[in-house]
Amino acid sequence: DQQVKQNSPSLSVQEGRISILNCDYTNSMFDYFLWYKKYPAEGPTFLISISSIKDKNEDGRFTVFLNKSAKHLSLHIVPSQPGDSAVYFCAASQGSYGQNFVFGPGTRLSVLP
Amino acid sequence: EAQVTQNPRYLITVTGKKLTVTCSQNMNHEYMSWYRQDPGLGLRQIYYSMNVEVTDKGDVPEGYKVSRKEKRNFPLILESPSPNQTSLYFCASSLSFGNTIYFGEGSWLTVV
Repeated sequence: DQQVKQNSPSLSVQEGRISILNCDYTNSMFDYFLWYKKYPAEGPTFLISISSIKDKNEDGRFTVFLNKSAKHLSLHIVPSQPGDSAVYFCAASQGSYGQNFVFGPGTRLSVLP
Repeated sequence: EAQVTQNPRYLITVTGKKLTVTCSQNMNHEYMSWYRQDPGLGLRQIYYSMNVEVTDKGDVPEGYKVSRKEKRNFPLILESPSPNQTSLYFCASSLSFGNTIYFGEGSWLTVV
């Protein structure tokens, strides 16, 4: 059973509009979350993170929202650009010694010009 | 430049022929790990290492071995590869557990 779920395998958005990528988790002990972006033929690269003591973290065009009660986080990209087209992975960890990051299956974002 | 370097990037091998995928990082990171990426399953951890001579199983360790004799290197060993190990493999490192993970560019492995 997947502990981290990204229920949309793909998403298409028009350039300049908002992209919203969703992630749900089942383990209530998770307290640190990250988003990674992956282009074809490259390794994933870190995008943005959030710890459970916050409900929002912003970095330029990227904002991550965390709803602990719903065990849900989302990544907002505003405005979306064609260069944002990639696969986005959500990852979660318990943050305590010996635990590791659990990744979701990824969502492929296509930003259309 | 901070890097995680994997080799080979692409490999086709036959069932049962031992192979090693090397991984090296130049950031003096303590924590290193190996993941495989399969369609619909995302990144699944194979093995990880908290420091030199300290390794532990991840979620899908069967059929794999690792070693951590030096801080910078963390090779992944497939003693007797099978077709179900055909996958895209990523090595990763971080300063310590819980910190941001840096990934290598990936190694495409096909076992026929």
